[in-house]
Amino acid sequence: AQSVTQLGSHVSVSEGALVLLRCNYSSSVPPYLFWYVQYPNQGLQLLLKYTTGATLVKGINGFEAEFKKSETSFHLTKPSAHMSDAAEYFCAVSVTGANSKLTFGKGITLSVRP
Amino acid sequence: NAGVTQTPKFQVLKTGQSMTLQCAQDMNHNSMYWYRQDPGMGLRLIYYSASEGTTDKGEVPNGYNVSRLNKREFSLRLESAAPSQTSVYFCASSEALGRTKAFFGQGTRLTVV
Repeated sequence: AQSVTQLGSHVSVSEGALVLLRCNYSSSVPPYLFWYVQYPNQGLQLLLKYTTGATLVKGINGFEAEFKKSETSFHLTKPSAHMSDAAEYFCAVSVTGANSKLTFGKGITLSVRP
Repeated sequence: NAGVTQTPKFQVLKTGQSMTLQCAQDMNHNSMYWYRQDPGMGLRLIYYSASEGTTDKGEVPNGYNVSRLNKREFSLRLESAAPSQTSVYFCASSEALGRTKAFFGQGTRLTVV
């Protein structure tokens, strides 16, 4: 079965600084990879996803992630943090097949300091 | 656009009581899911329905039952609530399993006392 690991539970950056949220996956077959964001008291929204093709994926709000098969990673980055980026971020994985379903990591809370 | 609608938004139950969480989607999606979210645990899949007429257990199904009433609706039932089921519950839907984007409801905050 597939899984994702998000190391650490909290990341704090200054406004304008680089955001880097790490995600490593485990899958015996080619994965589909996702980043979701959850703002306080809301459901999850898709930031970006990788299915096939280009390994650098651009999403909403200036975020991007790069699929690196050799490192089994799908880290999320944003060049310059904004106060509105403060939220919880979840990496998720699924695979092709009739019974595939979305498996989430434990999530990382991003704080942005003024 | 309603998307995925969950009811109720908040609920307090006494231990041993039963209740049903309702979920409906208006996007003609085939697949629907129920997750629970607990601090430090991320989202864990309780049950899912790949398509109308099918349901399957996820990671943490004990203590829950589900019904895929039709293509739009997927309900989650707690037959005898326990304090360990205190959590935030999310319903989600997608066109299909696998590579497609999932849309989430706003969540139901359940407290069992």
